[in-house]
Amino acid sequence: QVHLVESGGGLVKPGGSLRLSCAASGFAFSDYYMGWIRQAPGKGLEWTSYISSGRQNTNYPDSLKGRFTISRDNAKNSLYLEMNSLRPDDTAVYYCARVRWPNSYYFDSWGQGTLVTVSS
Amino acid sequence: EIVLTQSPATLSLSPGERATLSCRASQSVGNFLAWYQQKPGQAPRLLFFDGTSRATGIPARFSGSGSGTDFTLTISSLEPEDFAVYYCQQRNKWPLTFGGGTKVEIK
Repeated sequence: QVHLVESGGGLVKPGGSLRLSCAASGFAFSDYYMGWIRQAPGKGLEWTSYISSGRQNTNYPDSLKGRFTISRDNAKNSLYLEMNSLRPDDTAVYYCARVRWPNSYYFDSWGQGTLVTVSS
Repeated sequence: EIVLTQSPATLSLSPGERATLSCRASQSVGNFLAWYQQKPGQAPRLLFFDGTSRATGIPARFSGSGSGTDFTLTISSLEPEDFAVYYCQQRNKWPLTFGGGTKVEIK
């Protein structure tokens, strides 16, 4: 049974940084591409990043390039999202999600999310 | 980027009725479109991928159709657990984008 558990969210001041983590279990983590998707309060879904299984490839929307960095540690079955220069409009629930095999860029399993609030 | 426009924004229906949800893309996405269901306080759940392929465990009352720029999610007979928000997502071009969602609410 696929299980994804995010952590690391919280309240951060504008301009600050935060590192989110996602612990994966129940599947061969190292075989799967992974991604982060966020959802601002009361709003829709926004894709923020993806990483290939072997960490060679990452991608971001242009609006987040340079501020967000996705990474993974396959030995620890963990996914990370480093967020810098945070702004109030980065406030959202951040979901860790597994890309449907084989690398289809659809998300077939999601965690419950971690809330990031950017406010002074 | 490819913009996905979902309509209607809200659909008010009764249990047992048929629901038809639309997702229109600003340019062709081929058949590279998915549908997700999200209930309040929960993470999204994948319903369909590649336009018409049902994800694991999705009941047969759900169906997906379309290609190019026009896609439809149909629920043949609404069950109480189907009242939720539905999103489409394209993977034809970077960046991956989602539609704004359609809320199916109880009339």
